[in-house]
Amino acid sequence: DAGVIQSPRHEVTEMGQEVTLRCKPISGHDYLFWYRQTMMRGLELLIYFNNNVPIDDSGMPEDRFSAKMPNASFSTLKIQPSEPRDSAVYFCASSYGMGASKGTQYFGPGTRLLVL
Amino acid sequence: AQSVTQLGSHVSVSEGALVLLRCNYSSSVPPYLFWYVQYPNQGLQLLLKYTTGATLVKGINGFEAEFKKSETSFHLTKPSAHMSDAAEYFCAAQGGKLIFGQGTELSVKP
Repeated sequence: DAGVIQSPRHEVTEMGQEVTLRCKPISGHDYLFWYRQTMMRGLELLIYFNNNVPIDDSGMPEDRFSAKMPNASFSTLKIQPSEPRDSAVYFCASSYGMGASKGTQYFGPGTRLLVL
Repeated sequence: AQSVTQLGSHVSVSEGALVLLRCNYSSSVPPYLFWYVQYPNQGLQLLLKYTTGATLVKGINGFEAEFKKSETSFHLTKPSAHMSDAAEYFCAAQGGKLIFGQGTELSVKP
């Protein structure tokens, strides 16, 4: 299996621009998670989906952030407009189930975002 | 609310020495517990996990962790550090969502 795939791996943009991050989960997994990692706040869960439906978006920082999962093999995280404080590494993870007996989360390599 | 505390944001050991990374969780109900490792510019990789049963859990790369309910701890150990173990290590607890500790950066000196 190719694992969780994220693109782009690096993104540099200017403040005010729209940024779209992409994720392809592991085939057969029914949960998809978006995390943000910063030095100040560590790893934060932004949102997660079950069977393409958003379940909990309480971690999304503000309305500038939105996430979609149009099908089982693709998800996007969009920031519009972007701000310098959005600079972080964004991870996508997927799992089969959500209990630890089977719901181990597998992480993608991350997208390193820099907003100037 | 459930939380995970990793003692020490940075740990340095010599090659061949014991590695001990500390993790405590706060939960009235013992959650499922995980250790992940993150190498530079990479995603998180699962080292090991505790769900139920044996409290000593063995993972990849020679790491192991022991769940101690009385101490609400899940410390990670490796008997002999290798240079390739240098990375950041995250402890996490799952009751519903996965809650991560702040991470411990492990340095290994030659």
